[in-house]
Amino acid sequence: DIQLTQSPSFLSASVGDRVTITCRASQGLSSFLAWYQQKPGKAPTLLIYSAFNLQSGVPSRFSGSGSGTEFTLTISSLQPEDFATYYCQQLHSYPLSFGGGTKVEI
Amino acid sequence: EVQLVESGGGLVNPGESLRLSCAASGFSFSSNTMNWVRQAPGRGLEWVAAIGSSGIDIFYVDSVRGRFTISRDNAKNSLYLQMNSLRVEDTAVYYCAKDLPFAATDYWGQGTLVTVSS
Repeated sequence: DIQLTQSPSFLSASVGDRVTITCRASQGLSSFLAWYQQKPGKAPTLLIYSAFNLQSGVPSRFSGSGSGTEFTLTISSLQPEDFATYYCQQLHSYPLSFGGGTKVEI
Repeated sequence: EVQLVESGGGLVNPGESLRLSCAASGFSFSSNTMNWVRQAPGRGLEWVAAIGSSGIDIFYVDSVRGRFTISRDNAKNSLYLQMNSLRVEDTAVYYCAKDLPFAATDYWGQGTLVTVSS
C-alpha cells in the first residue's frame, strides 16, 4: 500500500504569505496525485488534480507541482478564506490513500 | 449541477449493521467510478471503498474488507455501502464521492454521520 506523508502538519501564516505544503509518497505515483481543501464541518473540495492541473473555479493563487514521490501545493498569497486543512491523495493504485493533512492557521 | 446526497447514518451498537445510500444527479452516474471516504471525528480523511461504473471492479481498504460491501444501482443513480459487524472505530462522517479517473475525486456529498457506541 502507498503511504503519503504531508509536511508540515500545522502551519502558522499571515494574509499575503506564500505557503508551501509538501506531500511525499512511499513509492512513485507518476502524476496521479490530487490536493483538497477542507473547512470545518464541510466536505473537502478539489483544488489540484493530476499533480498540477487547477480544478475549474479554483483561484490561480493555488498551484501544484512535482511528480514521482515528491509533490508540493503552493498558495502564492494567502487569503483569509484559505485558512483550512489541506490533504493530498494518491490515485496511482488501490487502496487509494490520503496524506495526514496540513492545517493552515493564523 | 452535480449533486451527491448521502443518507442512512445514525447511532448503532457495536456489532450491528447499517446501510448508507447516496443519491446522485447532474452527471452520467453509470459512466463513473464512485467512492466512499470517511473521516473520524477530529481526524483526517480515509478512503474506504470504490466501485467501477459497471459494478464489477470493487476495491476496499483492509480495515473494512469482509465487513463492508459497496454496491450501486445505475438505474436508480444510487450508490450504497452495507456496513456489518460495526466497530467503535468505524465512527465517522461517511462521504460519497465521484471519481475523475486516475486524477482526483472531484465531487463530494455533504456526508452522513455514523456513530458506533454502546
